[in-house]
Amino acid sequence: QVQLQESGPGLVKPSETLSLTCTVSGFSISSGYYWGWIRQPPGKGLEWIGSIYHSGSPYYNSSLKSRVTISVDTSKNQFSLRLSSVTAADTAVYYCARTGVVATYWGQGTLVTVSS
Amino acid sequence: EIVLTQSPGTLSLSPGERATLSCRASQSLSSSYLGWYQQKPGRAPRLLIYGASSRATGIPDRFSGSGSGTDFTLTISRLEPEDFAVYYCQQFGSSKWTFGQGTKVEIK
Repeated sequence: QVQLQESGPGLVKPSETLSLTCTVSGFSISSGYYWGWIRQPPGKGLEWIGSIYHSGSPYYNSSLKSRVTISVDTSKNQFSLRLSSVTAADTAVYYCARTGVVATYWGQGTLVTVSS
Repeated sequence: EIVLTQSPGTLSLSPGERATLSCRASQSLSSSYLGWYQQKPGRAPRLLIYGASSRATGIPDRFSGSGSGTDFTLTISRLEPEDFAVYYCQQFGSSKWTFGQGTKVEIK
């Protein structure tokens, strides 16, 4: 069974960089599929951040592209998100998922709060 | 970028009733690239429908999807207590994803 688990700091200071890692079990990232990040501000809807193929270039939401980096570490079966220059507007639950055309498998989500 | 608009924002219904949720795209998209998700409070979204009309594994047959071009529909034939939740449509196109803003199905 494919499982995903997000990890990383729950509190980030304004102007700093948010860093999260998603650990995948039950499936080898190097076997294929796209892997991505989606976020949800408190009480609001879902926003796709970006996705990456295990061996290809990432692609990002245009509105976040200048601040986002998604990378893959196939040796650890993990992929990561970095979001720079964060503000309070980046406070959200961040989900990792096996993406593609749709997201079949999701992590449980992790709340990241941006505050000094 | 394709914008998805869901309606209504909130649907108030009783258990046993039929729910019809709409998702309209700002431009025509391939049915293969349209999905629907259910989200309950504090939980990750769950894939219900992919390819506009195919049920994901383990999804009851009271959930059905239809539509093409710019107009898509999620129908719940008879609402069960566990179906009261928020529903999102999502599209994939030009290596980008977008979500609709969601429809909340609440108990009347």
